[in-house]
Amino acid sequence: QVQLQESGPGLVKPSETLSLTCTVSGGSISYFSWNWIRQPPGKGLEWIGYMRNSGTSNYNPSLKSRVTISVDTSKNQLSLKLSSVTAADTAVYYCARGDLKFDPWGQGTLVTVSS
Amino acid sequence: QSALTQPASVFGSPGQSITISCTGTSSDVGGSKYVSWYQQHPGKAPKLMIYEVNNRPSGVSNRFSGSKSGNTASLTISGLQAEDEADYYCSSYTSSTTLHVFGTGTKVAVL
Repeated sequence: QVQLQESGPGLVKPSETLSLTCTVSGGSISYFSWNWIRQPPGKGLEWIGYMRNSGTSNYNPSLKSRVTISVDTSKNQLSLKLSSVTAADTAVYYCARGDLKFDPWGQGTLVTVSS
Repeated sequence: QSALTQPASVFGSPGQSITISCTGTSSDVGGSKYVSWYQQHPGKAPKLMIYEVNNRPSGVSNRFSGSKSGNTASLTISGLQAEDEADYYCSSYTSSTTLHVFGTGTKVAVL
């Protein structure tokens, strides 16, 4: 079965770029759409964006100017870059498979924005 | 695009049935068949429980069921068990540029 694992720095300085990777195992990344979703501590879920297997991407308008999602099929990895981060970007970041529903999810990785 | 509205908490006793509501607009819940529900235990990733309003993924207990009426979707848990104590989030595909919106989340407590 497909498993997802997020990785990346747990601490990012304000104004810098947050970079995360999601490694997909147990299946090819090429045949599905892949999402990034985040959850600030003690708060609800927020959809960040997705990359479709067609190569098209779509982002939450509230983050669109700062977000880039990409896929590396040779490594079976999904990536997230979020620029000009502030404390409001502190959250657990999840990757998840799907177009119209999210399944499965990675375990998530906490990113704290602080100097 | 605002978050879908859910009650902050719902309580029930073991064996009882509870229902969680998820209210949106005609641009999301009311106009979409792609409403899903997720269960999240503390410190864990969300898990898909219901998709396309009322479909259960393989492996999810038939004690969980979904429905929709107008702009409000609902998740019902019957025969409530201690393991059902968790946070639950609804989600809808939308016709707006946001594409996907989540609910505010509901904490289910088993008394």
